[in-house]
Amino acid sequence: TQTVSQSDAHVTVFEGDSVELRCNYSYGGSIYLSWYIQHHGHGLQFLLKYYSGNPVVQGVNGFEAEFSKSDSSFHLRKASVHWSDSAVYFCAVGQGGRALIFGTGTTVSVSP
Amino acid sequence: DPKIIQKPKYLVAVTGSEKILICEQYLGHNAMYWYRQSAKKPLEFMFSYSYQKLMDNQTASSRFQPQSSKKNHLDLQITALKPDDSATYFCASSQDRTTNTEVFFGKGTRLTVV
Repeated sequence: TQTVSQSDAHVTVFEGDSVELRCNYSYGGSIYLSWYIQHHGHGLQFLLKYYSGNPVVQGVNGFEAEFSKSDSSFHLRKASVHWSDSAVYFCAVGQGGRALIFGTGTTVSVSP
Repeated sequence: DPKIIQKPKYLVAVTGSEKILICEQYLGHNAMYWYRQSAKKPLEFMFSYSYQKLMDNQTASSRFQPQSSKKNHLDLQITALKPDDSATYFCASSQDRTTNTEVFFGKGTRLTVV
C-alpha cells in the first residue's frame, strides 16, 4: 500500500522558535516529494520539492526539507517561525504520470 | 492575479440537484486535476486530465463527471447532490504529468449541500 503520513495533526510554537514537521512515505519506485502550505480559506501554495540530488532542499520563506531514503522521510523545517507561518502544511508524493497524493496535513499555530 | 480561476467561490445546493463547478487555468498547462477537501477526508485526489483526456479517476461515484471543453478548462459536474458531497473542491494544474512538475492550485469552490 502506498501511503503518505504526517504524524502530527497540530503543532503549536512561539514566534521565533524553530519547527519541524514530519512526513513519512511508503512508496515503491522513483518518486518526488513536495510540501505545500494552505492558509485559512485559501488554496494550496507550493513550498519546495525534492526529486534527486542534494537531499536538503531550500524553499520559499526560509523553509527547507530533508529527504531520507533510509527513513522514508521528507521532514520540513524552519529555523525561526513568524506569525504568518500559521497555516496547514501538506506533504505530497508524486510518481511519474500520476497525480500528487497528499498527507493529512499538519496545522501549525504560531503564538506571539 | 490568479492564474487558476474557480467559479463560484461559494455554492449552496439542494439535495438531489445538479451543479457545475468551473475551472479555467491561464498557465498554459497541459495537465489539470480536481481535488476535494473536507473534514472527513482532507485533500482527496479525484481526477486527472492530460491534453483534455481523462488519465486517472479515483472517484467511485459516477455522479462526478469532469468536462473539458477546452485545453485550459476542466469543469466538474456533480449530479444528484448529497449532503456528504459538501466540501471544498480544488482545481489544480501542472505543465504536464511527468515527474517533478510543480502543481498549482486554485482557491477552491466551497460547496454546501442542504
